[in-house]
Amino acid sequence: EVQLVESGGGLVQPGGSLRLSCAASGFTFSDHYMDWVRQAPGKGLDWVGRTRNKANSYTTEYAASVKGRFSISRDYSHNSLYLQMDSLKTEDTAVYYCVRSQLVDGNRWYFDLWGRGTLVTVSS
Amino acid sequence: DIQMTQSPSSLSASVGDRVTITCRASQGINNCLAWFQQKPGKAPKILIYGASRLQSGVPSKFTGSGSGTDFTLTISSLQPEDFATYYCQQYIGYPLTFGGGTKVEI
Repeated sequence: EVQLVESGGGLVQPGGSLRLSCAASGFTFSDHYMDWVRQAPGKGLDWVGRTRNKANSYTTEYAASVKGRFSISRDYSHNSLYLQMDSLKTEDTAVYYCVRSQLVDGNRWYFDLWGRGTLVTVSS
Repeated sequence: DIQMTQSPSSLSASVGDRVTITCRASQGINNCLAWFQQKPGKAPKILIYGASRLQSGVPSKFTGSGSGTDFTLTISSLQPEDFATYYCQQYIGYPLTFGGGTKVEI
């Protein structure tokens, strides 16, 4: 079955760190761009960052709001995606979704598969 | 950054109605636009990509159109399972950005 399963969410104090994991199955993980998207309680969707596929050397992009604090990585052997979150702020409180991107039109990637999400709460 | 503006932010409709949601980009994005449906407590689900291409498995009552800066999502004959929040998103440039959402209510 093609799926993404996130884990690692929880309660953390401001300034703390947390690492989210996403287990991918049912598809060739290295072929796809992978993203993290978050959603604060009662709010809209907010892109966090991306790692490109193996053919593009797994390079990364980040939203300005998290650049320098968050880091995305992959474990190829375990088909897992990670989001390392440091220096967390209360405004980082959100459900974090792991998202697969699919190639279209030769060089564009759109979100075609979402995990169920994991809740991160940053509070003292 | 490319700003995505959806309208309306919410609407009320009845079963069987035809509904249209609009999305405007602050600059041209060709056809690099996707539409998502999100139900309460659930992850978003892709409906349309490439502005008008239906994702596999999505019913044909969902129709997307537009190019450049102005886009629409039309839902023909609303059913109870279609009451949800809909988001547009551009994927031509970084940062990837979403519209603010349109909540379709009974």
